[in-house]
Amino acid sequence: DSGVTQTPKHLITATGQRVTLRCSPRSGDLSVYWYQQSLDQGLQFLIQYYNGEERAKGNILERFSAQQFPDLHSELNLSSLELGDSALYFCASSRRSLKETQYFGPGTRLLVL
Amino acid sequence: AQSVTQLGSHVSVSEGALVLLRCNYSSSVPPYLFWYVQYPNQGLQLLLKYTTGATLVKGINGFEAEFKKSETSFHLTKPSAHMSDAAEYFCAVSDQGSNYKLTFGKGTLLTVNP
Repeated sequence: DSGVTQTPKHLITATGQRVTLRCSPRSGDLSVYWYQQSLDQGLQFLIQYYNGEERAKGNILERFSAQQFPDLHSELNLSSLELGDSALYFCASSRRSLKETQYFGPGTRLLVL
Repeated sequence: AQSVTQLGSHVSVSEGALVLLRCNYSSSVPPYLFWYVQYPNQGLQLLLKYTTGATLVKGINGFEAEFKKSETSFHLTKPSAHMSDAAEYFCAVSDQGSNYKLTFGKGTLLTVNP
């Protein structure tokens, strides 16, 4: 158990809909990262938040957004969903920066029908 | 831009045999290198990492990897495979040029036969 929690574990929705994925980092970790794992693209870094502020961006679509709240939990919002958004979404956390070891949560499996 | 190539999307070994999972990276500056393992229906777990210093890195569960700059490689080995090693393994790289964002390889699925 990494100490990172993600909810929900599974999510099934329809095209065009909007969903919110939630992540709680390990106790004491200030940075939260979001990744997408799909069969065709593999594991891709989406975005990093540090202590409430966006710190780094990867291959995140404009339809996707994230935020980190004062209690340090984070939410990833996916809107106007398409079939191709079906994937496993991981959250990871670290003490501060990208240079440190990231600890991954169990993931949320999203299926868009 | 950094990149990672994992040779072999699927590796099959017998229990007790040597495990060798190959990883080559591309980076224009000194890299940080990682191996993560993903068991079915679970998140990624760090096996080991190289940042600086000793090029032979020992990790959890008897795994180790050697950073070879001249070959731009970071292959993962374990002398004797166990059934519980069956999982997917990901090599990843980060460096200053990418502000230390992790770039992952496509993964190698390890099967261990009894």
